[in-house]
Amino acid sequence: QKEVEQNSGPLSVPEGAIASLNCTYSDRVSQSFFWYRQYSGKSPELIMSIYSNGDKEDGRFTAQLNKASQYVSLLIRDSQPSDSATYLCAVNEDYKLSFGAGTTVTVRA
Amino acid sequence: GAVVSQHPSWVICKSGTSVKIECRSLDFQATTMFWYRQFPKQSLMLMATSNEGSKATYEQGVEKDKFLINHASLTLSTLTVTSAHPEDSSFYICSAISTSNQPQHFGDGTRLSIL
Repeated sequence: QKEVEQNSGPLSVPEGAIASLNCTYSDRVSQSFFWYRQYSGKSPELIMSIYSNGDKEDGRFTAQLNKASQYVSLLIRDSQPSDSATYLCAVNEDYKLSFGAGTTVTVRA
Repeated sequence: GAVVSQHPSWVICKSGTSVKIECRSLDFQATTMFWYRQFPKQSLMLMATSNEGSKATYEQGVEKDKFLINHASLTLSTLTVTSAHPEDSSFYICSAISTSNQPQHFGDGTRLSIL
């Protein structure tokens, strides 16, 4: 069974700190990986996509992918209260997405 | 960026009513659209995958006769919840992609409450 697992939350970080989110997946053939942010009562919003090993940076967000370890992570630098949300790791398998359960992040002002 | 529009955003209706939800890709042609359901404090659960001009593929445990999906064009898919009951109350979200390796773009979701 294909699985996507995220580190359990909730994760509470002070404003300005780095929030680190982890995700592991079981399907070795997966090629596309995504991080979505979901605010309470809203639909998911794509914040990062990563397709090859290494780091990908976009503003305050950095995604890291290690296909050999089947691991993908998301770092949020200089965390802001507006970053408080649930972050969903998603892995593309046969064009369908498998989602992790999500990690809820709370940024304390 | 890719925009997916979903309507209505909120529906409250009586038990036994059928409810139709529309999902439109506004600035790209969606070869595939997806329908998800999300209960409170849970992650998204894929209900079905819909390709333009063909029958939808339903995930295990999802009743195809209760959740009717039509994907009549490359920009529109509809989900009809037939004879809805209180247990069907949930947050329904659609998404769309243009090619298989690209990220899914989500609509704003429809909150369905059955009284």
